Order: sequence, then structure tokens, then C-alpha cells
Amino acid sequence: DSGVTQTPKHLITATGQRVTLRCSPRSGDLSVYWYQQSLDQGLQFLIQYYNGEERAKGNILERFSAQQFPDLHSELNLSSLELGDSALYFCASSIPIQGAASGSVSYNEQFFGPGTRLTVL
Amino acid sequence: EDQVTQSPEALRLQEGESSSLNCSYTVSGLRGLFWYRQDPGKGPEFLFTLYSAGEEKEKERLKATLTKKESFLHITAPKPEDSATYLCAVWGSNYKLTFGKGTLLTVNP
Repeated sequence: DSGVTQTPKHLITATGQRVTLRCSPRSGDLSVYWYQQSLDQGLQFLIQYYNGEERAKGNILERFSAQQFPDLHSELNLSSLELGDSALYFCASSIPIQGAASGSVSYNEQFFGPGTRLTVL
Repeated sequence: EDQVTQSPEALRLQEGESSSLNCSYTVSGLRGLFWYRQDPGKGPEFLFTLYSAGEEKEKERLKATLTKKESFLHITAPKPEDSATYLCAVWGSNYKLTFGKGTLLTVNP
């Protein structure tokens, strides 16, 4: 058990609908990451939040959006769903590690939740 | 753009038969290389982080090594419970984790 929780475990919906996936990071972790995993694409980075602010963006569609709340949990919103959006969606969290004298921040290993399996019919 | 290529795509071993998985990468400003294990339908489980060429880390039957162009995950005397997909990922200067497609390892008793 990584300490990262995700709900729901499974979600079945129809094309054109909108869904919200929820993630609670490990206690003390400030960063939350969202990934999409499909059979043909592998694990694809979508977006990262750090302490409530968007930090990095990957291959996230405009139909998708995310946010991180003051209690550090995060939600991924998927709208106008298409068949191709069917996939496993993972959330991960990590603690940022302060760098050396420069004050830069490096990010240590990410711990993944159990995922939400989304099926769009 | 950062790229990670893992080989082989699939590997079948007999219990006790040691082998290595390869992860070749190109990345702008490597901050770290990660190995994960993933069981079917579950989230990736963190195994190792390597930060610089020459670094090695071990955990039970697994040993990860890093050069400037690739990383190897050596599996010594594997057991059936080591069967899983092993994922390699690089962390570059863009703060994004780029994953390879993984190696599906099957260990037969």
C-alpha cells in the first residue's frame, strides 16, 4: 500500500459525459501527478500540481482539467468523453527535496495510487 | 523531447535463471532514473532511483545500474513472484517523468 488513495476504482460512462476522479496523496506529500495508461500508449504524464499550483503539464487534452485543493487532495475532470479516453488513470505523489545552495528543488520518487479504470461506452 | 526505450518487450525465464532488462534513454538534464514494478491492473510500485552514472542499487534479487546512456535491471535467481511488468522512467530538466513501455517478465516455476 503506497498511501495514495484514488476513488472511484471503476467508472463506466457514456460518450459525451463528464466524470471526476479523486486522489488523496500520502501524508506530507505536496506534489500530485496524474497519469493515463492505455495498452498502446503506456504510462503518459498528464499534469502536476505542487501545493495547490500547477507545476508541469504533459500530454493533457483541453477536455481534461485538474486542480489541487488546500487539503492537498486533487481532482481530475474529464469532459466530452470519447471512446479513446478509456484507460487506467493513476495519481502519484511525492515530497520535493530542496536542492543545494542554489535553492533549486528536485523531486524524489513518486508513489502511485491503485488507479481508476475508466470505461467509456 | 525525453525518450525511454526498454528491451526486451517481454522476457520469459525459468525460476533461478538470471537475466537483465535494459533501459536506454535520451534526456535533457537527467535529474534521476527510476525503476518501477507494475502488477496487472495495479499502480506502479517504486523500486529504485539512480541519480548519476556509475551508481548501483540493490534490493533482494534486483540490482539496478546506470550509465550515461542506459540503465540495467539485473534479476538474480528470479522466483515466480518476480513476474510483473518493469517500468523505467527518466526525470529530466522539464520536471516531467517520461516512462518507457516496460518489459513484461514472466518467471516459470
